[in-house]
Amino acid sequence: DAMVIQNPRYQVTQFGKPVTLSCSQTLNHNVMYWYQQKSSQAPKLLFHYYDKDFNNEADTPDNFQSRRPNTSFCFLDIRSPGLGDAAMYLCATSLEGYGPGEQYFGPGTRLTVT
Amino acid sequence: AQSVSQHNHHVILSEAASLELGCNYSYGGTVNLFWYVQYPGQHLQLLLKYFSGDPLVKGIKGFEAEFIKSKFSFNLRKPSVQWSDTAEYFCAVNAQGNNRLAFGKGNQVVVIP
Repeated sequence: DAMVIQNPRYQVTQFGKPVTLSCSQTLNHNVMYWYQQKSSQAPKLLFHYYDKDFNNEADTPDNFQSRRPNTSFCFLDIRSPGLGDAAMYLCATSLEGYGPGEQYFGPGTRLTVT
Repeated sequence: AQSVSQHNHHVILSEAASLELGCNYSYGGTVNLFWYVQYPGQHLQLLLKYFSGDPLVKGIKGFEAEFIKSKFSFNLRKPSVQWSDTAEYFCAVNAQGNNRLAFGKGNQVVVIP
């Protein structure tokens, strides 16, 4: 089945220790997104890639970076995680230019910062 | 930028009861509208969507939603819920031609057997 895969599902890191979360997709979608979701809150868009073009949200901290080496993969790098960065990180994809562009979500990576 | 409001964050109801979740958005232009569902321990899944045509949209698992443009609303309904409908429900909106989704805060729905 075509899908969005996130690894790992659970990640524990130490305060200030860089961490990378990964996302891959078999849908061949041209847009990939990263969201942060905290408990009982709506997903908050951090940034997205439209093909190779990176689009950062204005309120995304500089601590968060992303890479998209090819169509299938996208990475979220947190350079110096703080306690406030503990959250669920969701990756999503969409196919733009072919309809309303609904997004397909991965299962998420739950990040714990100790 | 568009924003989305969902009220009554926690909803508890018994099986066979009817469910209606409100969703209002603020954006003056043409929009695409979505309801996503997140079952316990699972990822966000698309329940239904509206982008044009019949404003009454039918989705999976017996859900439907009605787009009322004059009220900027896209309320979700199900006539008779089941225990398996226990989940969190998110309304989301994007402006046509803009791939950014704005999510509401979600409704946590618990169905008691």
